[in-house]
Amino acid sequence: KAGVTQTPRYLIKTRGQQVTLSCSPISGHRSVSWYQQTPGQGLQFLFEYFSETQRNKGNFPGRFSGRQFSNSRSEMNVSTLELGDSALYLCASSFLTAGANVLTFGAGSRLTVL
Amino acid sequence: QQQVKQSPQSLIVQKGGISIINCAYENTAFDYFPWYQQFPGKGPALLIAIRPDVSEKKEGRFTISFNKSAKQFSLHIMDSQPGDSATYFCAARPGGGATNKLIFGTGTLLAVQP
Repeated sequence: KAGVTQTPRYLIKTRGQQVTLSCSPISGHRSVSWYQQTPGQGLQFLFEYFSETQRNKGNFPGRFSGRQFSNSRSEMNVSTLELGDSALYLCASSFLTAGANVLTFGAGSRLTVL
Repeated sequence: QQQVKQSPQSLIVQKGGISIINCAYENTAFDYFPWYQQFPGKGPALLIAIRPDVSEKKEGRFTISFNKSAKQFSLHIMDSQPGDSATYFCAARPGGGATNKLIFGTGTLLAVQP
């Protein structure tokens, strides 16, 4: 069973540019969530999607956006990049239930902003 | 209120010893408390999780102890092995419905010396 696939794994951008990151969830998982991981702030929730609808959003500026497609694949976009956006961006998929949901994370996309 | 405080920041344990990582929270609405393990270059992976109506959960060498009145929970790794060397994150899920939003602790870097 394939895991969560994130592309690209590494990328370098300059300030002011924009970036799009992609996430393919585990087959059958309809829920996708995104997290930002930095040494200073740790793991912070960005947003989550279920059946193409955003269900929850973290405390990030509007430059951070995402979407989910009908096949459950998801993308996140960061516009007008800042140096502080350098981070590992993690995507996780799961069956979304009210019980003990298990998040399966991808290996992440490491973004460096110069 | 939405924070999860984790300690220690780093931990060195001898092979065969017990590793103990502690977390504390304020928000009594949290309804699910997972622990994640992350190796370098990988995404976090669910290790073990507990709900607040249970005081202890054991899976192999890993045990979560949960103290609802103190709003604390801890991970115990018995017979620690060099392969356990990784970063460990506690987390909590805000209650109120099905969501993949998790509030993570700041992480503990565990080194198990042979």
